[in-house]
Amino acid sequence: EAQVTQNPRYLITVTGKKLTVTCSQNMNHEYMSWYRQDPGLGLRQIYYSMNVEVTDKGDVPEGYKVSRKEKRNFPLILESPSPNQTSLYFCASRGTATNYGYTFGSGTRLTVV
Amino acid sequence: GNSVTQMEGPVTLSEEAFLTINCTYTATGYPSLFWYVQYPGEGLQLLLKATKADDKGSNKGFEATYRKETTSFHLEKGSVQVSDSAVYFCALRAGANSKLTFGKGITLSVRP
Repeated sequence: EAQVTQNPRYLITVTGKKLTVTCSQNMNHEYMSWYRQDPGLGLRQIYYSMNVEVTDKGDVPEGYKVSRKEKRNFPLILESPSPNQTSLYFCASRGTATNYGYTFGSGTRLTVV
Repeated sequence: GNSVTQMEGPVTLSEEAFLTINCTYTATGYPSLFWYVQYPGEGLQLLLKATKADDKGSNKGFEATYRKETTSFHLEKGSVQVSDSAVYFCALRAGANSKLTFGKGITLSVRP
C-alpha cells in the first residue's frame, strides 16, 4: 500500500531533550515536506526537500533540522525542544508531476513540557 | 506571496443539506488548487484538485471549480452526510519549490 509512515504517533517530552520524528514513504517520491498544524493557524511548512541532499526552509523552520540522506526517509529533528513546539506534525510526499497533491502521514502529536 | 483565505467556521448542517465552503486565493502565476479533508484523529487526505482555469475537480459528491476571474475555488456538495463531518482545507501550489500553502481550515459538523 502506498503510504507515508510517521513515528511515533504520540510523544511527550521535556524541554531541551533532543528528539527525532521519523518519516518514510514507499512511493519513490522526490518531494517531501514537514508541516505543523496549530489551532487557528492551519498548516505551516517547516522544511521541505526536493530530492536527496536537497533541503530548504519553509515558513517556520526555527528550532528544527532535517536531513535527506535517502530518498524514502525525511526525519525531523528537534535539537532542544521548547513548549512552543507543542503541535501536531505531518510529513508529506509527492511525485514530480506539477498537478500532484501531497500524500500525508497520519501525524505525530508532540507535547513538550 | 501566496495565500489562501477560507470562510470562518465552524459550520453545522443537518443531514442532506447543501454545503458551500468558500475559498479564495492570491498567487503569482497559475497555481494548482486543492481541497484536503481531515477526519477526526487522522492525517489529511486529498479530496479533489484542479490545475487550470475552469477545471472542475470532483470526488465523493464534492465539487469545486477553478475560477481564475474571481480567484476562487469554492467547495460544494448537494447533500451532506454525517460521515462528511471533518475539517476541510483549501490549498494551492505555485512555483518551483512545490510548497503547499493552506487556508486555516474549517470544521464541518453534520447532525442526523
